[in-house]
Amino acid sequence: RKEVEQDPGPFNVPEGATVAFNCTYSNSASQSFFWYRQDCRKEPKLLMSVYSSGNEDGRFTAQLNRASQYISLLIRDSKLSDSATYLCVVIDQTGANNLFFGTGTRLTVIP
Amino acid sequence: EAQVTQNPRYLITVTGKKLTVTCSQNMNHEYMSWYRQDPGLGLRQIYYSMNVEVTDKGDVPEGYKVSRKEKRNFPLILESPSPNQTSLYFCASSSPGLAGGPTGELFFGEGSRLTVL
Repeated sequence: RKEVEQDPGPFNVPEGATVAFNCTYSNSASQSFFWYRQDCRKEPKLLMSVYSSGNEDGRFTAQLNRASQYISLLIRDSKLSDSATYLCVVIDQTGANNLFFGTGTRLTVIP
Repeated sequence: EAQVTQNPRYLITVTGKKLTVTCSQNMNHEYMSWYRQDPGLGLRQIYYSMNVEVTDKGDVPEGYKVSRKEKRNFPLILESPSPNQTSLYFCASSSPGLAGGPTGELFFGEGSRLTVL
């Protein structure tokens, strides 16, 4: 079983729509959670951390559900510029090399 | 400007011709790592290093070597490239987190697209 799993999509949504992605993780001892954004043929970049209480950054909201072992990313009022692949990242305590990437969810926002 | 620099950005080579992809970071990060990214498979870790002279295998180390003689540099070496090593390669660095591993904020290079014929 993979450490981190994501629905690969693609998610095709119209401008202005609200879209949500989930990411499940297998290790209940996982400590830290993050969302990265990767544009086509570019490097991944940190989008936001995911805090236990949930956190918001403009149109983006990240949430953690420890009981069900998933994190989510909600994008409101989608813009064309939000089109990208969104990767979830999980850090756990099982070893020093303890960062795991999901395979990513592809989002395309359509005019 | 804080950055991770990879070279070359694009390379076409032939089977068996040794090549090195360089990676350098200017943030004094202890942790560095190499990933390859292939369609449908996501980012897969090749090798990582938690500090100078400390390297270890990731998930897909076969056919690759690394070295960490200086803190800022972490070259990836393909001694005898094969077509299945055609991929997009990323180097990343991070300040230390839990047990010396990375924090959640990895800084990536721009990527090196390698084609092996």
